[in-house]
Amino acid sequence: GEDVEQSLFLSVREGDSSVINCTYTDSSSTYLYWYKQEPGAGLQLLTYIFSNMDMKQDQRLTVLLNKKDKHLSLRIADTQTGDSAIYFCASARGSARQLTFGSGTQLTVLP
Amino acid sequence: DAEITQSPRHKITETGRQVTLACHQTWNHNNMFWYRQDLGHGLRLIHYSYGVQDTNKGEVSDGYSVSRSNTEDLPLTLESAASSQTSVYFCASSESGGGPETQYFGPGTRLLVL
Repeated sequence: GEDVEQSLFLSVREGDSSVINCTYTDSSSTYLYWYKQEPGAGLQLLTYIFSNMDMKQDQRLTVLLNKKDKHLSLRIADTQTGDSAIYFCASARGSARQLTFGSGTQLTVLP
Repeated sequence: DAEITQSPRHKITETGRQVTLACHQTWNHNNMFWYRQDLGHGLRLIHYSYGVQDTNKGEVSDGYSVSRSNTEDLPLTLESAASSQTSVYFCASSESGGGPETQYFGPGTRLLVL
């Protein structure tokens, strides 16, 4: 089945850019998503990218997709302490109904 | 505003007891999902439903069941709770119709099985 991998931890200084990486195995993935989870809360969709795109920008967020290498990244510009959270990458196949999640990257923003 | 709620938010139970976790959404979404979240595993799919009377097994369905009698609710039942089912459980819903079918998540239920 599909496998989605992420590094577990990332620390950055406030004001720097953060880059969270994700790799997936299924070349037929149709949509790829980034979700954010704050402590004690559910997952909140940040953004998604369709598989025929290679970049999507939304305010401070930039998503890059390299389909050849099956690599997805999320860049957060001007990272703030409020960005500290766990970030999940997820991929969807076919009708996009079922998602496979990575194990999440804990982002810590240092003052 | 439309929302998805879960109850209870916290539950402590004993091994062998039957437990039911509730999920209710007011989005009128066709699709509903149950996940469990454990350290190092991300979210894993337990069961899902694409509409009333439809239920399907996910990756980690053993020991769990669901039923879908209406659009709004998908209760998750642990038939005989085991310590390995201690976890945080999330319900999600999405609308069918093509496109990204974004899943919206509830706040989670933290379950401890002693």
